[in-house]
Amino acid sequence: DSGVTQTPKHLITATGQRVTLRCSPRSGDLSVYWYQQSLDQGLQFLIQYYNGEERAKGNILERFSAQQFPDLHSELNLSSLELGDSALYFCASSVSFSGPGANVLTFGAGSRLTVL
Amino acid sequence: GQSLEQPSEVTAVEGAIVQINCTYQTSGFYGLSWYQQHDGGAPTFLSYNALDGLEETGRFSSFLSRSDSYGYLLLQELQMKDSASYFCAVTGGGNKLTFGTGTQLKVEL
Repeated sequence: DSGVTQTPKHLITATGQRVTLRCSPRSGDLSVYWYQQSLDQGLQFLIQYYNGEERAKGNILERFSAQQFPDLHSELNLSSLELGDSALYFCASSVSFSGPGANVLTFGAGSRLTVL
Repeated sequence: GQSLEQPSEVTAVEGAIVQINCTYQTSGFYGLSWYQQHDGGAPTFLSYNALDGLEETGRFSSFLSRSDSYGYLLLQELQMKDSASYFCAVTGGGNKLTFGTGTQLKVEL
């Protein structure tokens, strides 16, 4: 157990639907990252939050949004789902957003989304 | 932007030494990291280099040359359990961590 908790582990839904993925960072970590990993692909950076504020944005679609709450948990909202959104979505956390501590990411087990 | 290149696949035998290379292009550079991911699992942190040179952690070592925008991960005394994907990742401008596409390492008997 890495200390980063993601729910749900698996999710099957239909095109056009909306889902919410949840992440609780490791205790003491203030920064949360979201990554998308499609089949046999690398980790695509989506977005990063630090202590409730957005710090960096990657190739996140407009249909996707995220936020980090005061208790530091984060949610990734995916709407108007398409077949191509089927992927493994990882949340990761780190102590800070800059400096050496920012580079040591602890990943959760991921949420596997299947869009039919 | 940031881009990284690493081989897609490497095969080696148990007990051997293997080197996985990574070249990068980035606007702003803070450091190079390496992560391991077993099939279906979460990536786990292996090493981080901010300065030139070799960092050793047990059987794994990581090297960085900032002037060449190049680094590598060296795995010694390979074991079957080392079969996994290995990702290099660069921390660039804005402290954004960008991952390469990964190298699948297959360790054979």
